[in-house]
Amino acid sequence: AQTVTQSQPEMSVQEAETVTLSCTYDTSESDYYLFWYKQPPSRQMILVIRQEAYKQQNATENRFSVNFQKAAKSFSLKISDSQLGDAAMYFCAFQTNFGNEKLTFGTGTRLTIIP
Amino acid sequence: SQTIHQWPATLVQPVGSPLSLECTVEGTSNPNLYWYRQAAGRGLQLLFYSVGIGQISSEVPQNLSASRPQDRQFILSSKKLLLSDSGFYLCAWSLGTVTEAFFGQGTRLTVV
Repeated sequence: AQTVTQSQPEMSVQEAETVTLSCTYDTSESDYYLFWYKQPPSRQMILVIRQEAYKQQNATENRFSVNFQKAAKSFSLKISDSQLGDAAMYFCAFQTNFGNEKLTFGTGTRLTIIP
Repeated sequence: SQTIHQWPATLVQPVGSPLSLECTVEGTSNPNLYWYRQAAGRGLQLLFYSVGIGQISSEVPQNLSASRPQDRQFILSSKKLLLSDSGFYLCAWSLGTVTEAFFGQGTRLTVV
């Protein structure tokens, strides 16, 4: 069974600074996808970034980047130049490829931006 | 474009009453469909997912059930609600791993 662990229930960062959110996962699969989703107070889930396991290059989307360590089964999210609008719950998620495409989420990290 | 509809937005139900939450997707075919529950301040717990009509995988064998009577319709049901069923329920769809998951607006269920 796949599990996703986010060990930081809450994090805070000064505006314009950089913060890293941690995520580890456990799977016996070799072909899968990893995601970070953001859930602002509106509770609408928004995709932040996506990583394919077979790609060694870390995904980047503007101020958001990941550090994907496949051997360690680690997938952290780095937010650079933090902005007030980044305040939200952040969820790490895992999905296998082909057949059993279950999408499993972690417990989330609540990120607070300090002005 | 694709859209997902989930209703109702809020629901207050007495303990022991039945439940039916509906989710429909427009603009795509044969999507994967998911039901999640989010307790207050907590993560997303996968309840059910479906990769095709009539194919339901259950992750949480409690008093909830799910059905997929049509390709783009996913229904979450219960015959008798418990207090512990209170929470925020989210429906989502994806095209396997081709796309990310797209979520509905959610249903806030309060069992009293």
